[in-house]
Amino acid sequence: QVQLVQSGAEVKKPGASVEVSCRASGFTFTGYYIHWVRQAPGQGLEWMGTINAGGGSTSYAQNFQGRVTMTRDTSTSTVYMELSSLRSEDTALYYCAREPDSSGLLDYWGQGTLVTVSS
Amino acid sequence: QSALTQPASVSGSPGQSITISCTGTSSDVGSYNFVSWYQQRPGKAPKLMIYEGGKRPSGVSNRFSGSKSGNTASLTISGLQDEDEADYYCYSYAGSSTYVFGTGTKVTVL
Repeated sequence: QVQLVQSGAEVKKPGASVEVSCRASGFTFTGYYIHWVRQAPGQGLEWMGTINAGGGSTSYAQNFQGRVTMTRDTSTSTVYMELSSLRSEDTALYYCAREPDSSGLLDYWGQGTLVTVSS
Repeated sequence: QSALTQPASVSGSPGQSITISCTGTSSDVGSYNFVSWYQQRPGKAPKLMIYEGGKRPSGVSNRFSGSKSGNTASLTISGLQDEDEADYYCYSYAGSSTYVFGTGTKVTVL
């Protein structure tokens, strides 16, 4: 069955970087886009960006340009999202999600990774 | 890219129908048929309910329907049930390989 399994919770200090991973299974990894979406406590969903798991091309939301980097490792079917220059406002639950066939929809989601930024 | 605008809350009694609006611009909702809707229950990941404006994934109740007119997309829940109480988000392609979510709507079943 399709699964997206994310890495565990992280606690970081302001100014640091964090890397969250998303390991895919149950489907042909290179045939999909993987998106990252975050949700601050009590807030709505925010789209961060996407990576083509096959070719590796990326697209980032303007709000995160220069601070976010998405990469993938096809040998392990894993996508990584690194966010740098962390500030308290980056405290959130980070989700990865799968987009099939340039369809514009997100059909499977990871369980979420809580990133806490605190001094 | 600004978030799509949704009402903060919508409520209805069991059995009633409710509609959630999602207003964007001619650069996102108005230009593409890639609008989807997600249900999120507390402590859970979002769940796809509607895609391409009005199509339902397998397993989603036919009480959920979607439509679009101009720059506004809508999600209608008919025959409202207690289990429909959740947050709902619209999501649209916004061009240049970017996407945007709506502000979210809390649905309360009275």
